[in-house]
Amino acid sequence: DVKVTQSSRYLVKRTGEKVFLECVQDMDHENMFWYRQDPGLGLRLIYFSYDVKMKEKGDIPEGYSVSREKKERFSLILESASTNQTSMYLCASTEPGAEAFFGQGTRLTVV
Amino acid sequence: AQSVSQHNHHVILSEAASLELGCNYSYGGTVNLFWYVQYPGQHLQLLLKYFSGDPLVKGIKGFEAEFIKSKFSFNLRKPSVQWSDTAEYFCAVSAFMDTGRRALTFGSGTRLQVQP
Repeated sequence: DVKVTQSSRYLVKRTGEKVFLECVQDMDHENMFWYRQDPGLGLRLIYFSYDVKMKEKGDIPEGYSVSREKKERFSLILESASTNQTSMYLCASTEPGAEAFFGQGTRLTVV
Repeated sequence: AQSVSQHNHHVILSEAASLELGCNYSYGGTVNLFWYVQYPGQHLQLLLKYFSGDPLVKGIKGFEAEFIKSKFSFNLRKPSVQWSDTAEYFCAVSAFMDTGRRALTFGSGTRLQVQP
């Protein structure tokens, strides 16, 4: 059974903290994605990666960075968390053009 | 800019009513199209997908979608909804970006509420 695992289901962080969200997939997929999901806005693409150490900006990359040192792991980094980054964060993996598989999501609250 | 539009943000239906949710996209090249569903408290899961061939595709739970290339549309349909179809529905498009890489872009979602 395919699996995308996000390291935390719920996180509470303080404004200005550096935050790491981790995602691991066991399907040997090339592509991995980070989205944030907000009511009425759907899923907005933050960054994606098409290979180890390769990344591309999505629609809303400001305030975020990513790291992909190994094929199975894709990390989202909030360099200095702000309250407007309070959201649900979803990781997904896929072969190019194919169906995406999602993690269970991380609900991040920045206080 | 490339985008995916879902016109209905919140739909309320009675059981047994027919459903059609609209999805339009603005990508000019070859696209792969998806509908995902998110039941309350659950992961996103795939309802159906279109890559090529017959533009009418059937998915799980009695859902179907029709790809109309000339209208850049991929509308989701179900003849008779059930209370258990209450969920949020997302249209998604996989297309090549200017960089030559494929990205997966989602619409803003449609919240479907089915009343018993």
